[in-house]
Amino acid sequence: GAVVSQHPSWVICKSGTSVKIECRSLDFQATTMFWYRQFPKQSLMLMATSNEGSKATYEQGVEKDKFLINHASLTLSTLTVTSAHPEDSSFYICSAREMTSGDTYEQYFGPGTRLTVT
Amino acid sequence: GQNIDQPTEMTATEGAIVQINCTYQTSGFNGLFWYQQHAGEAPTFLSYNVLDGLEEKGRFSSFLSRSKGYSYLLLKELQMKDSASYLCAVMDSNYQLIWGAGTKLIIKP
Repeated sequence: GAVVSQHPSWVICKSGTSVKIECRSLDFQATTMFWYRQFPKQSLMLMATSNEGSKATYEQGVEKDKFLINHASLTLSTLTVTSAHPEDSSFYICSAREMTSGDTYEQYFGPGTRLTVT
Repeated sequence: GQNIDQPTEMTATEGAIVQINCTYQTSGFNGLFWYQQHAGEAPTFLSYNVLDGLEEKGRFSSFLSRSKGYSYLLLKELQMKDSASYLCAVMDSNYQLIWGAGTKLIIKP
């Protein structure tokens, strides 16, 4: 099946610094990638949707200047958390969508990145 | 507004059968997904239903009734490794996934 990788799998950074998370589709082309955030014992919260070559669409309440998303190619999207604060500590998960022959629109998830801001 | 409801937590016994229900109200419908998520890991795909009826895949089955806005995930011959959260998600008219809060399934020996 389709594989999505994320790097790094975990990162600890100091408050005020920036962190970049990469999401790659390894064996398929992803025209659309999604970035989610998940706090402990809560469900996935969609942060933004990015389409290759265009600006990301952010969900209400997500600061686009703080969470910079770049989808430069059909296999790579990056999320940069700028000026991170402890409240940004969370599990960040990306997913990539491939249209199957059956129009399933299945999303394939990366393994997630656990960010801790100290 | 859009809403997905599923129970917060369920407990079942190893070897038994458990049914996790999901009801939804969304703007449009382009399919319903079930995902399994173990603690600290990303979700993994279990099933997809877009037409009414039952889809069986090994020990797991998923049912959909579009007229009732209702789905369930049926897990048979439960194993300890099935302890996880099960997420119900509906794809709306914009092909965006609307997520339920997840059902934490606890399997007891």
